[in-house]
Parts: sequence; C-alpha cells; structure tokens
Amino acid sequence: EAGVTQSPTHLIKTRGQQATLRCSPISGHTSVYWYQQALGLGLQFLLWYDEGEERNRGNFPPRFSGRQFPNYSSELNVNALELEDSALYLCASSLSGQRGDTQYFGPGTRLTVL
Amino acid sequence: TQLLEQSPQFLSIQEGENLTVYCNSSSVFSSLQWYRQEPGEGPVLLVTVVTGGEVKKLKRLTFQFGDARKDSSLHITAAQPGDTGLYLCAGEYGNKLVFGAGTILRVKS
Repeated sequence: EAGVTQSPTHLIKTRGQQATLRCSPISGHTSVYWYQQALGLGLQFLLWYDEGEERNRGNFPPRFSGRQFPNYSSELNVNALELEDSALYLCASSLSGQRGDTQYFGPGTRLTVL
Repeated sequence: TQLLEQSPQFLSIQEGENLTVYCNSSSVFSSLQWYRQEPGEGPVLLVTVVTGGEVKKLKRLTFQFGDARKDSSLHITAAQPGDTGLYLCAGEYGNKLVFGAGTILRVKS
C-alpha cells in the first residue's frame, strides 16, 4: 500500500512569490494535515482538512491557505513568501478525523525562500 | 512557548549505552505518541500511549506514560547506531497533534 506522497521534493522561491505544495493521502484516508518544520522550532500544526472542509487551523497568517479536493488530495498555498517560511512542510493523513486516529506522514517538501 | 518540553535536546552516546528521553507538559493529553524521524523523511510513528501509567515495549525501546497523562519517557537499552535520529513526542490536543521540539540522538559505533 502506497504511503503519503508529497510533491515537489524541493522548491526554491524568492521573497514575495507564491508556493504551491501538494499531498496525496493514503488510499481510504479522508483527513489531511499540514505541518511546518522549521529549524529550531519543531513541528508546528498548520491546517487540517477532512471531507473537503477546513476543520482546524494553527497559529499562522492568512497567507497560508489550502484546500482538499474530492479525491482527498490536498494543496497548501503560501502567498507573499517571506524568508522565514523556509522550512520542511510535512503532510500527514489519517483514516478519518476521529480522536486517536494515527497520522501517517509523507516525506515532506523542502521549501527554500531566497 | 512549547506545550510539550522535550529533554535533552541533543544526545551523543556510544553504542551499547542506555538512554532516556523525557517529554513533559503542564497539560493533560488524551494520548501521547512517539515518532522517529530520519533526515529527508517524515516522522514515523513508534508508539501511542493512552492510559495513565501505561508502559509499552518495542524491542529495546520502553515507553511510559505518566499517571497524570502529562508526561512520558522513552528509554532505549543498549543503543545501536541504527537508533540515530530525531525523536519527537506529540500529544493529541483538540483534534490536532502538538509536538515537542525533539531530541536528536546520535549513537556512535
């Protein structure tokens, strides 16, 4: 069974540009989560989507947004990129949004903002 | 401010030594998870502990959940170079996972 996949593996952008990151969950999973892993800050929760709806949002500005498609894949968009947005962005999926559901992580997209 | 405090931040030991990593919080969690992450990869779930006082063993790894469900520990016996990686604890908090900053473990042969 294929795990969570993310694309691209690496992304290099300049300040002010927009970045789009993609995630495909494990087949049968309806919930997708996005996390930012920046150096020295650990994993920070960004967004949670389930059944096409945004269910929860972390403490990030509105220029971080996303969506979930009918096939449960998801996109994370970061507008007006800033240098401090450079990080590993991890996507995770779970069977549903129920408490206690295990989240399975993808390999991440390394975003570098110059 | 981290909801979950992990210690130590960095640990470098010789093969065969034992070690313990701690994860502490002032908040109560319904469950707590331990992950291991290697460079260039996403975190991989090692264990989930749910019941206060619970102890789980995974080969040479022993995980304990505090009685009050606010803290946890990971003990590795006879560490091996293959144990090298970033160890993360995470607590379920309002339908999202809150992570500690992680412990970087390096086991030298």
